[in-house]
Amino acid sequence: DAGVTQSPTHLIKTRGQQVTLRCSPKSGHDTVSWYQQALGQGPQFIFQYYEEEERQRGNFPDRFSGHQFPNYSSELNVNALLLGDSALYLCASSPTGGYSPLHFGNGTRLTVT
Amino acid sequence: GESVGLHLPTLSVQEGDNSIINCAYSNSASDYFIWYKQESGKGPQFIIDIRSNMDKRQGQRVTVLLNKTVKHLSLQIAATQPGDSAVYFCAENRETDKLIFGTGTRLQVFP
Repeated sequence: DAGVTQSPTHLIKTRGQQVTLRCSPKSGHDTVSWYQQALGQGPQFIFQYYEEEERQRGNFPDRFSGHQFPNYSSELNVNALLLGDSALYLCASSPTGGYSPLHFGNGTRLTVT
Repeated sequence: GESVGLHLPTLSVQEGDNSIINCAYSNSASDYFIWYKQESGKGPQFIIDIRSNMDKRQGQRVTVLLNKTVKHLSLQIAATQPGDSAVYFCAENRETDKLIFGTGTRLQVFP
């Protein structure tokens, strides 16, 4: 049973460019959340998708957007990249409802130069 | 503001000893707490969770204690092994799977 998978594992972009990160949730999970983890910090919640809709959003600008597909996979898009967007981007999935821990992928390391 | 934090940024223990990692939270309305382990280059890995209607939960070599009176959470690791070396995060569950993480504690195990 595959866990949460993310692609690519590493990415280097230039300021002002746009990036798309991808995530496939754990089998049986229908809710996908995205987190940003700066070096030496805990993950920060970006947003969550359920039934192809954004259900919750953290304190991130509109440059950060996402999408969820009918097969529950998800994309995170970041426009007009800034140096400060350099971080590890984590995708997490969970089943809807109840008290279930999030399962995380190994992340995409984004470097903006 | 509301936050989940940790008392010690780095904890060094000898192999075979017990480890205790502490965490404070500020939102008394939070009802679900999770401990994660994160190794270098990997995503957070679930260790153990606890709901607010419990004060203790045990897993394999790990125990989580919850003290709602003082809003404190701890993770105990028995017989710490070199493979336990990692950064440990407590996370507070708010608003349907929206986790609030602390900055983490690095556990170093030496022989």
